[in-house]
Amino acid sequence: DAGVTQSPTHLIKTRGQQVTLRCSPKSGHDTVSWYQQALGQGPQFIFQYYEEEERQRGNFPDRFSGHQFPNYSSELNVNALLLGDSALYLCASTPGANYGYTFGSGTRLTVV
Amino acid sequence: AQSVTQPDIHITVSEGASLELRCNYSYGATPYLFWYVQSPGQGLQLLLKYFSGDTLVQGIKGFEAEFKRSQSSFNLRKPSVHWSDAAEYFCAVGAGTNAGKSTFGDGTTLTVKP
Repeated sequence: DAGVTQSPTHLIKTRGQQVTLRCSPKSGHDTVSWYQQALGQGPQFIFQYYEEEERQRGNFPDRFSGHQFPNYSSELNVNALLLGDSALYLCASTPGANYGYTFGSGTRLTVV
Repeated sequence: AQSVTQPDIHITVSEGASLELRCNYSYGATPYLFWYVQSPGQGLQLLLKYFSGDTLVQGIKGFEAEFKRSQSSFNLRKPSVHWSDAAEYFCAVGAGTNAGKSTFGDGTTLTVKP
């Protein structure tokens, strides 16, 4: 059984561009959260999707947006990239309450 | 607002020695607490979680953690460390049992000496 799958694994973008990251949750999981992990720091919560809607959001600007599809997969979109957006972006999924999250291996985004 | 502090940035222990990683949290209600481990270039793996009940929680890979409400702490322990335990460890506090909006500490890097 595959866990959480993220693509691509690495990405280099130029400042001002837009990027889309993709996540397929673990089988049986319907809730997806996205985190940003800067170098040397813990992950920071971006937002959570359930039933194709954004349910919770962290302290991130509107340049960060997302989507969840009927098959529970999810996308993270970042517009007008800044150098400070360079980080490891982690997707995590859960089947619901009373469970912890299963994390993917992340997408390493470098903005130059 | 919830927050997590991991006071030790880096810890080195000898293989076979015991381990304790510290975690202090701030949260206005009953916390939902987690410990994760991250190997280089990898995502996070859940070691254990505390939602309620017994304050001593057993996890995978021989780890345990104890919730102490009076000290706002949730320290991770292992009686005998193996070389494969070398990694970064994150403590997190969540709002709600699905802990979608978890707040993480900045992590503790564990080095294991032969």
